[in-house]
Amino acid sequence: AIRITQSPSSLSASIGDRVTITCRASQGISNYLAWYQQKPGKAPRLLISAASILQSGVPSGFSGSGSGTDFTLTISYLRSEDFATYYCQQYYNYPLTFGGGTKVEIK
Amino acid sequence: EVRLLESGGGLVQPGGSLRLSCAASGFTFSNYAMSWVRQAPGKGLEWVSALSGSGSSTYYADSVKGRFTISRDNSKNTLYLQMNSLRGEDTAVYYCASIKTGGDVFDIWGQGTMVTVSS
Repeated sequence: AIRITQSPSSLSASIGDRVTITCRASQGISNYLAWYQQKPGKAPRLLISAASILQSGVPSGFSGSGSGTDFTLTISYLRSEDFATYYCQQYYNYPLTFGGGTKVEIK
Repeated sequence: EVRLLESGGGLVQPGGSLRLSCAASGFTFSNYAMSWVRQAPGKGLEWVSALSGSGSSTYYADSVKGRFTISRDNSKNTLYLQMNSLRGEDTAVYYCASIKTGGDVFDIWGQGTMVTVSS
């Protein structure tokens, strides 16, 4: 199975900060990587697919990049509603696997 | 409105069985592959199983292979997960999710149903 290492596991940031989360795959996965946001007690929400394609309705402050083994989710200007846990997921092959998550907390 | 609604969770003893259901509405259910994803309390997301739109192709995580069975009834717009030989480590919120056309990512999620395996 492809292992996804996500970092950091948590971070503290302030409103207006630029935040970067990374995922590294244990083997090349081309651009078959998605990003999700999850708030407490809620189901995850798909933010980005194919490493960089923003889903409909997702604020433009979110962006994704990367290919092969290294990927990045960037929130360019942190808003109050962005405090949540973020997960990456590879879909290069089965079994589908997730990163361990990054909890973005208020500083 | 596109909606997925899970049901069937609850408390079950180790070794027991449970069947989860996921009722879909607001989209052409038979056109979409579907999946189950779980989340143990305080932990991250774990993919469990997936099923093609026709039901002819199934996929399982190693942790549930041979114990869980995914199925669907397209006439009822419903996805199922039959869980047998349950273990404590199966305790989790179970989400059903639709798989986005063109890539195995989860674009629509249900609200989840809690499964607790304990004596």
